[in-house]
Amino acid sequence: GIQVEQSPPDLILQEGANSTLRCNFSDSVNNLQWFHQNPWGQLINLFYIPSGTKQNGRLSATTVATERYSLLYISSSQTTDSGVYFCAVGDGGFKTIFGAGTRLFVKA
Amino acid sequence: DVKVTQSSRYLVKRTGEKVFLECVQDMDHENMFWYRQDPGLGLRLIYFSYDVKMKEKGDIPEGYSVSREKKERFSLILESASTNQTSMYLCASGLDQSDTGELFFGEGSRLTVL
Repeated sequence: GIQVEQSPPDLILQEGANSTLRCNFSDSVNNLQWFHQNPWGQLINLFYIPSGTKQNGRLSATTVATERYSLLYISSSQTTDSGVYFCAVGDGGFKTIFGAGTRLFVKA
Repeated sequence: DVKVTQSSRYLVKRTGEKVFLECVQDMDHENMFWYRQDPGLGLRLIYFSYDVKMKEKGDIPEGYSVSREKKERFSLILESASTNQTSMYLCASGLDQSDTGELFFGEGSRLTVL
């Protein structure tokens, strides 16, 4: 089945710093999402991005489907950005494959 | 905006009790899913449903059952709760992967079995 690898596994930033999170996947996919899991456990949709580039405020994402990776950029990080970021891809059927996540802590 | 609502944020149950976790979505999605999330193990699919009264086992269905009597509602049932079912349970609804396959999650239900 499709493998999804995220890096780095853990990241500590000073407030105001920028960061890039990476998601590699082992096969071609027709859908890819980025989620943020907040401290209360809810998974919040950030981007649906099977290809191309999208931006939403301080966050942006780029997926290069032909090279099987996606990047999530966080600029001017804030303490509220802390949490776990997941990349997830569809298997072409009903299942969604999640990466192990990147745990981000932003220090004030 | 898509809304997925889980009935309880926090539950504490005793071993052997029957537990119901309910999930309701308001976007007329065909597909609904139950996951559990444990430290170090990520998100694991328990069951999913692609239509009313239809259900399919996910990766870890043992000890669980589900019910989908109405399109908007998907219930997870623990017939006899055990301590190893202490976990965070996440419900999701979504579009077919022949469409976008985009998933939307509820707030999660944190279950403790004593």
